[in-house]
Amino acid sequence: VIWMTQSPSLLSASTGDRVTISCRMSQGISSYLAWYQQKPGKAPELLIYAASTLQSGVPSRFSGSGSGTDFTLTISCLQSEDFATYYCQQYYSFPRTFGQGTKVEIK
Amino acid sequence: QVQLVQSGAEVKKPGASVKVSCKASGYTFTSYGISWVRQAPGQGLEWMGWISAYNGNTNYAQKLQGRVTMTTDTSTSTAYMELRSLRSDDTAVYYCAREGGIAAALDYWGQGTLVTVSS
Repeated sequence: VIWMTQSPSLLSASTGDRVTISCRMSQGISSYLAWYQQKPGKAPELLIYAASTLQSGVPSRFSGSGSGTDFTLTISCLQSEDFATYYCQQYYSFPRTFGQGTKVEIK
Repeated sequence: QVQLVQSGAEVKKPGASVKVSCKASGYTFTSYGISWVRQAPGQGLEWMGWISAYNGNTNYAQKLQGRVTMTTDTSTSTAYMELRSLRSDDTAVYYCAREGGIAAALDYWGQGTLVTVSS
């Protein structure tokens, strides 16, 4: 099983801020990492796959980086609609695993 | 457009079984897999398992082995997840999601199905 450590669990920020979320794997997964955004009462939505490829329709203020064991999601200029919970997920091997989630809240 | 439409909310008693459906449209069903993910109230996402819609191969989370069965009906482009011997901690929203293709990640999700286990 590949374990994931996502941090921070809670991030307080203001509109316009640059924020970063980290995801660390217990073993290397090449670039088989995805990031999802989830808003209350809604299904998650895919933001980034292959560690750094933006899903169609996702604003360019979102970016992903990393490979191997360390990955980062960056939101360059936080907008009001970005306050949500973010999850990383590895799809390098079964069982798939998710990070614990990072809630981005308004400071 | 790609859509995954899930069956409605369920209320079950402990020890019972539940079967959730996920009807796909807008793409070639057998070209992708379907993952099932659940989320207990106020908690994070938990991967339950995956099924290939091409050949029916499955891979389940170890903690659910023996209680979960995932199937597909290619004639109706529908995936199913059955969970047996329900317990109170199975209370959650259950999601199906498409996996594969260019993204290979979970690129389309169903709307979720709330399963409540209560006596």
